[in-house]
Amino acid sequence: KAGVTQTPRYLIKTRGQQVTLSCSPISGHRSVSWYQQTPGQGLQFLFEYFSETQRNKGNFPGRFSGRQFSNSRSEMNVSTLELGDSALYLCASSLDISNYGYTFGSGTRLTVV
Amino acid sequence: EDQVTQSPEALRLQEGESSSLNCSYTVSGLRGLFWYRQDPGKGPEFLFTLYSAGEEKEKERLKATLTKKESFLHITAPKPEDSATYLCAVQAESGGSYIPTFGRGTSLIVHP
Repeated sequence: KAGVTQTPRYLIKTRGQQVTLSCSPISGHRSVSWYQQTPGQGLQFLFEYFSETQRNKGNFPGRFSGRQFSNSRSEMNVSTLELGDSALYLCASSLDISNYGYTFGSGTRLTVV
Repeated sequence: EDQVTQSPEALRLQEGESSSLNCSYTVSGLRGLFWYRQDPGKGPEFLFTLYSAGEEKEKERLKATLTKKESFLHITAPKPEDSATYLCAVQAESGGSYIPTFGRGTSLIVHP
């Protein structure tokens, strides 16, 4: 059984650029959540998608956005990158919304220079 | 504001030396408490969900317990492969949503 797949694994971007990260959930999982992980703040919730609709949103600026496709795959986008956006971005999938026994992907390590 | 505090921040054990990790929380209306294990360079791996005070769950050398204010992750006779960061997360109702709040984690190193 394939796990949660995130691409790319590593990314280096320049301040002011934008970036798109991709997540393919476990087959049959319909809910996809995104988290930002940094040494200073730990794991922070970005948003959750279910049936192509954003169902929950964390306390992040509007530069952070996402979407989910009909096959449950999800993307998140960060526009106008700042140095503080450097982090590990984790995608987690689960069978249903608000079921937080997640399966996480290995993450995308984003470095903003 | 909901708070989840894990202690200690770091723990070093000798192989076979049992110990416990703590996750204390201040939330109203707890719906679930989750334990995860995270290895370097990887995403967290789900271990347990606990729903009510008094509940216990076990998996190999790990046992999780829950009270009304805290959860413990007991590690019995740990091995070096148990070295990882252990995260707890609390799910409670907040403004109509049930987004989990994660603690900062306990970094466990088990020496052979």
